[in-house]
Amino acid sequence: GAGVSQSPSNKVTEKGKDVELRCDPISGHTALYWYRQSLGQGLEFLIYFQGNSAPDKSGLPSDRFSAERTGGSVSTLTIQRTQQEDSAVYLCASSANLPVPWTGINDSPLHFGNGTRLTVT
Amino acid sequence: AQKVTQAQTEISVVEKEDVTLDCVYETRDTTYYLFWYKQPPSGELVFLIRRNSFDEQNEISGRYSWNFQKSTSSFNFTITASQVVDSAVYFCALSEGGSARQLTFGSGTQLTVLP
Repeated sequence: GAGVSQSPSNKVTEKGKDVELRCDPISGHTALYWYRQSLGQGLEFLIYFQGNSAPDKSGLPSDRFSAERTGGSVSTLTIQRTQQEDSAVYLCASSANLPVPWTGINDSPLHFGNGTRLTVT
Repeated sequence: AQKVTQAQTEISVVEKEDVTLDCVYETRDTTYYLFWYKQPPSGELVFLIRRNSFDEQNEISGRYSWNFQKSTSSFNFTITASQVVDSAVYFCALSEGGSARQLTFGSGTQLTVLP
């Protein structure tokens, strides 16, 4: 596809259930990010994948959160035993510009998907 | 550690008014990049501009302009003659060291342009 694709667009789940959110990055992009946007809040970094390197998991809020990226392409963010405070929009972004420094081209380093709105009841 | 502060949580203006969105950043690096993104109601973040720390020249693009001042660590965004379609959440972001490894976003400013 032309852009970053995320599915589902909306997910309602009961507290305590596990959920999986999917991100399909732009073809050829080596870097993939997950962000969380809570109501009225900014974007909170969760995890970053770059090629075959070990992911940067420094933003994951708890051990209930995990993510994987298979074959260097599609990524899945899993939240186990969901809590109401997990309700948020989960945004995925991909980039082709890493690890080299950016050029002078004035383009975006990150291409975002439309997000998955997760509601935990 | 890097930090971005957008002190204005919400702003409302009437169409055709000018509006400035403030962004103040903190970083210890001498090389860094600043960004503005727009998030309309549809949810997707739309890239507006990227500015590196070595270029303090102000930028103008149509009705949009950006004022980068290293002396005050600010990167403010002005919309001239605002329109209803400008209504969105606007995020300022910072990345250190010339890498896109991890952008730090501000908390965003909700701009509402009333007809």
